[in-house]
Amino acid sequence: AQTVTQSQPEMSVQEAETVTLSCTYDTSESDYYLFWYKQPPSRQMILVIRQEAYKQQNATENRFSVNFQKAAKSFSLKISDSQLGDAAMYFCAYRGRGAGNMLTFGGGTRLMVKP
Amino acid sequence: DAGITQSPRHKVTETGTPVTLRCHQTENHRYMYWYRQDPGHGLRLIHYSYGVKDTDKGEVSDGYSVSRSKTEDFLLTLESATSSQTSVYFCAISGTGAGEQYFGPGTRLTVT
Repeated sequence: AQTVTQSQPEMSVQEAETVTLSCTYDTSESDYYLFWYKQPPSRQMILVIRQEAYKQQNATENRFSVNFQKAAKSFSLKISDSQLGDAAMYFCAYRGRGAGNMLTFGGGTRLMVKP
Repeated sequence: DAGITQSPRHKVTETGTPVTLRCHQTENHRYMYWYRQDPGHGLRLIHYSYGVKDTDKGEVSDGYSVSRSKTEDFLLTLESATSSQTSVYFCAISGTGAGEQYFGPGTRLTVT
């Protein structure tokens, strides 16, 4: 079974600065997807960014980018120019190629943004 | 935003009573999922469906059953609610292809 680990329960960043959230995963599959979801206080789960394992290029979405290290099974999220609205829980998630497109989530990292 | 609604949004019930949560989608997606979210555990999969009348168990399925009689509706039933089932429940949907899942707004269930 796949596992996803987020080793930082909480992180803090100054507004306009850059922060990196860590995620590691364990799998025996070679083809899979990785995701970062954001959960603000509203509780809504919002997809931030997606990475396909077969792509070597790291995904980017505006101020959000990832550092995907397949051999190390590492998938970190970098948030540049942090904004107050970035304060939220962030979840890393893994999806293999198996039946059901199921997601396995990490335990989450709470990001606080200081003005 | 994906068209996903959950009802009810909040519910308080007593131990031993049956509870049914409903997820409704307007996206005609094939896959639907039920997760629960508890502090320190992230989201854990309860059950999922890969088509009408096709369902399977997830990681934490004990005490839960599901049904899907129409593409747009996926029901989660707690046959006899227990305090350990106090949680926030999320429904999600996914089409084929890239496989990202889109989530509903969640239901907060409290079992007293």
